[in-house]
Amino acid sequence: DAGITQSPRHKVTETGTPVTLRCHQTENHRYMYWYRQDPGHGLRLIHYSYGVKDTDKGEVSDGYSVSRSKTEDFLLTLESATSSQTSVYFCAINRGTGGSTGYTFGSGTRLTVV
Amino acid sequence: EDKVVQSPLSLVVHEGDTVTLNCSYEVTNFRSLLWYKQEKKAPTFLFMLTSSGIEKKSGRLSSILDKKELFSILNITATQTGDSAVYLCAVEAEYGNKLVFGAGTILRVKS
Repeated sequence: DAGITQSPRHKVTETGTPVTLRCHQTENHRYMYWYRQDPGHGLRLIHYSYGVKDTDKGEVSDGYSVSRSKTEDFLLTLESATSSQTSVYFCAINRGTGGSTGYTFGSGTRLTVV
Repeated sequence: EDKVVQSPLSLVVHEGDTVTLNCSYEVTNFRSLLWYKQEKKAPTFLFMLTSSGIEKKSGRLSSILDKKELFSILNITATQTGDSAVYLCAVEAEYGNKLVFGAGTILRVKS
């Protein structure tokens, strides 16, 4: 979607290695989110940010850390990847406008931990 | 803890059928309920509902919210194979500025 990009799109990594996923926005919005999606669970919130250096935990934050040193970038780090973290990760921004232009999701990162 | 429950978890219908997807929720200080459609990529927005009893419509899709009974339904009439997708329901609390999602309903429309 215009305004939000995720990288990489796909990644395969080995158990125990660190992994960082990047979410970049071009629109200067305050709120950014990381969700993971697994079969049967919908999207579950990992961490979110409400400004530079302001972050908070979501419902499935164990094993993940985040950083936001610039408004446009929100990084998700798996310090030591485990097979249970194999998932599709979505970043989102909240434009605060509600409706179709409110929450907007990136295209996702498919992470496989082997 | 905010909670969203969708039913059924999966559904198979034939083209032309009408389907009803359900979403019940528990949330402190409700602000809005949103429906998304997801086809192997990012969720795409369908509806946002904030008031009870007011139906939102878009073509063959419609949705309504009942804030007293804490649920919403998404109706799809005259289904087509292109309606095959995962339908996600999410709620936003007034002070949360984040979405809590249900597990989704997998809809498959057979030709």
